[in-house]
Amino acid sequence: AQRVTQPEKLLSVFKGAPVELKCNYSYSGSPELFWYVQYSRQRLQLLLRHISRESIKGFTADLNKGETSFHLKKPFAQEEDSAMYYCALSLYSSASKIIFGSGTRLSIRP
Amino acid sequence: NAGVTQTPKFRVLKTGQSMTLLCAQDMNHEYMYWYRQDPGMGLRLIHYSVGEGTTAKGEVPDGYNVSRLKKQNFLLGLESAAPSQTSVYFCASRSPERQGNTEAFFGQGTRLTVV
Repeated sequence: AQRVTQPEKLLSVFKGAPVELKCNYSYSGSPELFWYVQYSRQRLQLLLRHISRESIKGFTADLNKGETSFHLKKPFAQEEDSAMYYCALSLYSSASKIIFGSGTRLSIRP
Repeated sequence: NAGVTQTPKFRVLKTGQSMTLLCAQDMNHEYMYWYRQDPGMGLRLIHYSVGEGTTAKGEVPDGYNVSRLKKQNFLLGLESAAPSQTSVYFCASRSPERQGNTEAFFGQGTRLTVV
């Protein structure tokens, strides 16, 4: 079955420290993976997707098919990064479903 | 350009009451989704639709029904609300993979409390 696992419910780091939010997926097909972010009192919005291989707001994520992982990283955390982060898997099939992980709340301490 | 709009934003229901949540998108997206967001469980897919007149069950469909009579609207119905359906509901829409941009756009959420 398809599944997205985010093992950390809460991650708290100091401003300026590196950040890594973990995401592992289970899918036998060719995955398309995303990170979505939800800032306080805002709707979910796309942060980045693996096929773009881009850096957004200093965040990057590399798809590792061998480890079935798509961890989100940032070298120096900022206070404005505090938010809820969701890893998501899009299924390339007739189902066209998007499966989300349980989310990680990132808290940046000043 | 409003994007994805959900109506209502908040609602309190008594057990056994019924209601319909409306999701409207103005981006001409084929695909639409309904999720519920619960603490510690992330977003769970309730129902989804890949086109006008078609719907399918997601991970947690029990107690909900949906309709997609018009391409731009996706309705989520609760026939007999239960306290377990207290949650925040999100609607999302996106284009099919063949059109390139697969980003999902979300509504602002509907906070539903069933007492």
